[in-house]
Amino acid sequence: QVQLVESGGGVVQPGTSLRLSCAASGLTFRNYGMHWVRQTPGKGLEWVAFIWYDGSNKYYADSVRGRFTISRDNSKNTLYLQMNSLRADDSAMYHCATDRSSSYLDYWGQGTLVTVAS
Amino acid sequence: QSALTQPASVSGSPGQSITISCTGTSSDVGVSWYQQHPGKAPKLMIYELTKRPSGVSNRFSGSKSGNAASLTISGLQAEDEADYYCCSYAGSTNVVFGGGTKLTVL
Repeated sequence: QVQLVESGGGVVQPGTSLRLSCAASGLTFRNYGMHWVRQTPGKGLEWVAFIWYDGSNKYYADSVRGRFTISRDNSKNTLYLQMNSLRADDSAMYHCATDRSSSYLDYWGQGTLVTVAS
Repeated sequence: QSALTQPASVSGSPGQSITISCTGTSSDVGVSWYQQHPGKAPKLMIYELTKRPSGVSNRFSGSKSGNAASLTISGLQAEDEADYYCCSYAGSTNVVFGGGTKLTVL
């Protein structure tokens, strides 16, 4: 079955960086676009970024553009999110999710928790 | 696109039917619904407004009337108690979620 396992979260200070990973198994990873979506108790689900199946195109939410970078390594079946200049309002559970259709997110991981606090 | 609007909570007794609304969707094709149990990953329940993925019970159905999409769960079961989120996907940079609805099975 499809498994997406996020890692790399933690507690960091404002202004610092963090890199999240999402390891995929049970699917042909290179055939799927991939999203990062974050979740907070107060704001619910918020789309963060999307990358095409081959990495050729990348898209970002206005709130993270210029600070976050999405990338992937299809040889390792792994998705990444490099987060720089972190702010308190970036604190959230970060989920990765697959996208083969460009109309819905098929499979999701359980997420990795990022807390930005001084 | 602004966040979609869902009721904060709904409830129903076992065997009953409930409907969760989602207003503000701009595309029919891109409407999907997700179920999330506490501490678990969201799970796709309905896609492209009315379609069910393989393995999802036919007690779950999707529809739309006017500007509001809806998720209906018939024959409520205890295991249906969860948070439900609608989503409008109208392009690679236009993915918007509703605020979520907590379903309580009484």
